[in-house]
Amino acid sequence: EDQVTQSPEALRLQEGESSSLNCSYTVSGLRGLFWYRQDPGKGPEFLFTLYSAGEEKEKERLKATLTKKESFLHITAPKPEDSATYLCAIPTSGSRLTFGEGTQLTVNP
Amino acid sequence: ETGVTQSPTHLIKTRGQQVTLRCSSQSGHNTVSWYQQALGQGPQFIFQYYREEENGRGNFPPRFSGLQFPNYSSELNVNALELDDSALYLCASSPAGLAGRGNTGEAFFGQGTRLTVV
Repeated sequence: EDQVTQSPEALRLQEGESSSLNCSYTVSGLRGLFWYRQDPGKGPEFLFTLYSAGEEKEKERLKATLTKKESFLHITAPKPEDSATYLCAIPTSGSRLTFGEGTQLTVNP
Repeated sequence: ETGVTQSPTHLIKTRGQQVTLRCSSQSGHNTVSWYQQALGQGPQFIFQYYREEENGRGNFPPRFSGLQFPNYSSELNVNALELDDSALYLCASSPAGLAGRGNTGEAFFGQGTRLTVV
């Protein structure tokens, strides 16, 4: 069964303290992995698409990487405005996106 | 801003009632998907519409139904509301159907409709 698992569920960082979020997946034939950011009460905001192992994408303090089994979202020197829930998703059977449960990131000043 | 707009933003309904949620897709996008997101969980796929036809359905009962119009906007209808239907309902548009239509392009989400069933 296609599955996406994210860890940790919640992460608290001090401003400037770098860390990584993990997204592991099980799917037959990966057709892309997507990272989203979601602020409370709002829809997910698209961040990155990764298609093949070894691929990396960067945006400001965020860098996403992909292996054959998992993806990492690295956050370098985070700021309080980076606080949000980060979701990863993969296209699975038919036409759907299967999401992980998300990692709730809090960055304290 | 993604260009995907949903209405209303918030809604309170009574158990047993019916509700219709609306979504305008981003310009140039012919595929709309609906997701349900309970508090503290990831979005769950309800169904997708591609060029006015249903193109995949998740594990939701038939009282969840949908429609896509020629301008690619979409509606989600839920009949006989239950307390567990309380959630954030998300609409996402993409330039072509995912997976089965050969395009794994990104999906862009609206701000969601917060439905509360009392």
